[in-house]
Amino acid sequence: EIVMTQSPATLSVSPGERATLSCRASQSVGSNLAWYQQKPGQAPRLLFYGASIRATGIPARFSGSGSGTEFTLTISSLQSEDFAVYYCQQYNIWPPYTFGQGTKLEIK
Amino acid sequence: QLQLQESGPGLVKPSGTLSLTCTVSGGSISSSGSYWGWIRQPPGKGLEWIGSIYYNGNTYYNPSLKSRVTISVDTSKNQFSLKETSVTAADTAVYYCASGVIGSFDYWGQGTLVTVSS
Repeated sequence: EIVMTQSPATLSVSPGERATLSCRASQSVGSNLAWYQQKPGQAPRLLFYGASIRATGIPARFSGSGSGTEFTLTISSLQSEDFAVYYCQQYNIWPPYTFGQGTKLEIK
Repeated sequence: QLQLQESGPGLVKPSGTLSLTCTVSGGSISSSGSYWGWIRQPPGKGLEWIGSIYYNGNTYYNPSLKSRVTISVDTSKNQFSLKETSVTAADTAVYYCASGVIGSFDYWGQGTLVTVSS
C-alpha cells in the first residue's frame, strides 16, 4: 500500500498571502495524484487530477505541481473561502486508492 | 451535471450489516470508462477508500475491508450499493459515494452519517 504523507498538519496563513501545502508518496505515483478541498459539513471537492490539471471551475489562484513522490498545492493569494482541509490522493498503484491525512489551512 | 445521493439507515447495531445505496442522476451508471465508489470518513478524521465498481462490473476493494464489503450495481435503477458486514463502533463514519473516470473522484454525494451503536 502506498502511504501518502501531508505536511504540515495545520498551516496558518493570512488572507491575501500565499499558501504552500505538501504531499509525499512512499513510492513513485508518477503524475497520478489528485487534490481535494473539504469544508466543514461538506463533501470533498476535486481541485486537481494528474497532479497539475485543474478540475472544472477551480480558480486560477490554485496550482498543483510535482511528480514521482513529491507534490505541492499552492494557493497564490488566499481568499476567505479557501480556508479548509486539503487532501491528496494517489491512484497510480491500487487497490487501495490512498489519501493523505489532510492539511488544515486556517486563518492567521 | 452528474449528481449522487446516498440513502440508508443512520444507525446500525454492532455485529449487524450496514447497507447504503447511491442514486445517480444526470448520467448513466453504465457509461463506458466510469467507476463508482464508496469512501468513508470517521468523525474528525481523514478519508478512507472502501471500494469501487467499474462500468464493466469489475469490483475492487480496500484489502483492509475486503472480507466484509460488497459493492453492487443496479443499472435498471441507476444505483449502486454498499454492504458492510460485522460492523463495530470503528465503522462509525460519514459514508460518501463518488464517481470518476481516471482514478480521481470527480463527483461526490453529500455524505450520510452511519453510527454503529446498540
